[in-house]
Amino acid sequence: QKEVEQDPGPLSVPEGAIVSLNCTYSNSAFQYFMWYRQYSRKGPELLMYTYSSGNKEDGRFTAQVDKSSKYISLFIRDSQPSDSATYLCAIGKETSGSRLTFGEGTQLTVNP
Amino acid sequence: GAGVSQTPSNKVTEKGKYVELRCDPISGHTALYWYRQSLGQGPEFLIYFQGTGAADDSGLPNDRFFAVRPEGSVSTLKIQRTERGDSAVYLCASSLEADINYEQYFGPGTRLTVT
Repeated sequence: QKEVEQDPGPLSVPEGAIVSLNCTYSNSAFQYFMWYRQYSRKGPELLMYTYSSGNKEDGRFTAQVDKSSKYISLFIRDSQPSDSATYLCAIGKETSGSRLTFGEGTQLTVNP
Repeated sequence: GAGVSQTPSNKVTEKGKYVELRCDPISGHTALYWYRQSLGQGPEFLIYFQGTGAADDSGLPNDRFFAVRPEGSVSTLKIQRTERGDSAVYLCASSLEADINYEQYFGPGTRLTVT
């Protein structure tokens, strides 16, 4: 079993839609959670970083963590064509020296 | 300020050859990470440095892979006797300090193709 599971998609939505991206993880020792956006042939770009259960909002993006269910989500409101990219969840634990374990990524296309 | 830079952006080499991939982290970042990303997959951890020392190299697939960071800034990932299975994008990331600052910032990657 992979430590982090992420539905690879692809996910296609119309412009303006609310997008929900999700990951599950297996080890309760994971303590911090990130979402990265990766455009084609580019490096991952850090979008959101959360440490505790609950919601964190930044503009059109909301990261949600439920440690009891080992489930993390990223919501994108009012999605734009420029949001079309692969979204990667990444998790880490303090005992592992900050190394990140990534999901395989969800490919998102927002259609104008 | 400048982000993480990696050179070369693309590298094509023949099976059996030796390659070096370079990473220049964000100025002031003491932690540096190497990941490898295969097509359609998320990045996989290879090794990380806190300062000059390799704090965790457990992700290196075998002894053909080696990385150094002699002065605590620039790092070089070295691959000996390359194999076609080594073809991937090699990503470098840096953070302020491992185990304290968890946000990692990635470079654009080096796309390695072994023919």
